[in-house]
Amino acid sequence: GAGVSQSPRYKVAKRGQDVALRCDPISGHVSLFWYQQALGQGPEFLTYFQNEAQLDKSGLPSDRFFAERPEGSVSTLKIQRTQQEDSAVYLCASSLATGSDPYEQYFGPGTRLTVT
Amino acid sequence: AQKVTQAQTEISVVEKEDVTLDCVYETRDTTYYLFWYKQPPSGELVFLIRRNSFDEQNEISGRYSWNFQKSTSSFNFTITASQVVDSAVYFCALRAPPTDSWGKLQFGAGTQVVVTP
Repeated sequence: GAGVSQSPRYKVAKRGQDVALRCDPISGHVSLFWYQQALGQGPEFLTYFQNEAQLDKSGLPSDRFFAERPEGSVSTLKIQRTQQEDSAVYLCASSLATGSDPYEQYFGPGTRLTVT
Repeated sequence: AQKVTQAQTEISVVEKEDVTLDCVYETRDTTYYLFWYKQPPSGELVFLIRRNSFDEQNEISGRYSWNFQKSTSSFNFTITASQVVDSAVYFCALRAPPTDSWGKLQFGAGTQVVVTP
């Protein structure tokens, strides 16, 4: 079946531009996570959605970062006024359910953002 | 606070050699889950294995095996008879109980595995 897809795969933005990164989770997956992966590092949590509700945004680095999932499926991560330190790979992951079951997270291929 | 440490930055082996990746974690939770993910050059993180904190039985799955030792907070991963296709970055990850963290993963910095023919 189809996995998690993300678009665009690559994005180059000039400093100060706004960008929008899209994530299409696996159909039926309730949970959706965004992670940021800097070069040579492990992914770091940004935010979490359960259906359309954003339940945790503790990892968002600044108020320039905004995420939404209005209908509980597709999610968009928006970065306003991009800075060079925003350059990273942004990974989206979805999971079947929440609760106590440790369902694994399925990751998309990521969007590599380069801010020049 | 949770922390995952992968001290090995890169490991280079010749095909058919075994590779063991080290992972040490810190957590105050009594219930937690540990994962290994593989990230090939394509960039997508691929789930490999999961272990919960109350099951220290070590297992083998194909060419993969793992050694979970709660007493030393280690969760090491071994690839037996490595192949060129195993070349990737491998991440160890820790997940706290969902009631506290919604299941978000805490990753280590990763270990680059290079397998040469």
